[in-house]
Amino acid sequence: AAGVIQSPRHLIKEKRETATLKCYPIPRHDTVYWYQQGPGQDPQFLISFYEKMQSDKGSIPDRFSAQQFSDYHSELNMSSLELGDSALYFCASSTRQDTNYGYTFGSGTRLTVV
Amino acid sequence: GQQLNQSPQSMFIQEGEDVSMNCTSSSIFNTWLWYKQDPGEGPVLLIALYKAGELTSNGRLTAQFGITRKDSFLNISASIPSDVGIYFCAGHPSYGNKLVFGAGTILRVKS
Repeated sequence: AAGVIQSPRHLIKEKRETATLKCYPIPRHDTVYWYQQGPGQDPQFLISFYEKMQSDKGSIPDRFSAQQFSDYHSELNMSSLELGDSALYFCASSTRQDTNYGYTFGSGTRLTVV
Repeated sequence: GQQLNQSPQSMFIQEGEDVSMNCTSSSIFNTWLWYKQDPGEGPVLLIALYKAGELTSNGRLTAQFGITRKDSFLNISASIPSDVGIYFCAGHPSYGNKLVFGAGTILRVKS
């Protein structure tokens, strides 16, 4: 079965650079969520999109932005990177048509800011 | 801030032993989910619970949605080495739509 695809798997950036993370949800899933997980931490919700519109916003810094495109893939754009942005970034998808609200997560992008 | 209190924080058990972990909240949750995360990978859904009092099994795993809708537990019977990982409880609070996570339980199994 198709899963949530994230790219790249690993990314190394320098401080003050920008980064773009991509997420391809499971086909027919209409909702995408972005989470940030620091070392030894639980995933923290950043932002979500339903049918290409932002549906909820969590602890996402103003330096970050995201959008969902017409093909339902989503991109997380991160600017003016700081050392503290180093983390695993997960994307998850789900569909409101399915009573199962168990999000399916991708394998994540490990961002290292040096 | 943290809305789910997950315990224990870590466990180091002998292969073959049973494991129990739980999550509590001061708020009511509409769903409870249990995930397992391996190092460097995304969380994988183990069990999803949708109704208060619901008891669901998935192989050696059993989870229950507390009757008050403020807690859930996960049991793993006859643990094996591949059970090693971090287990997260997660849930949808009665307000809002986003999934919130507990702090995780690190499980180590010695064979």
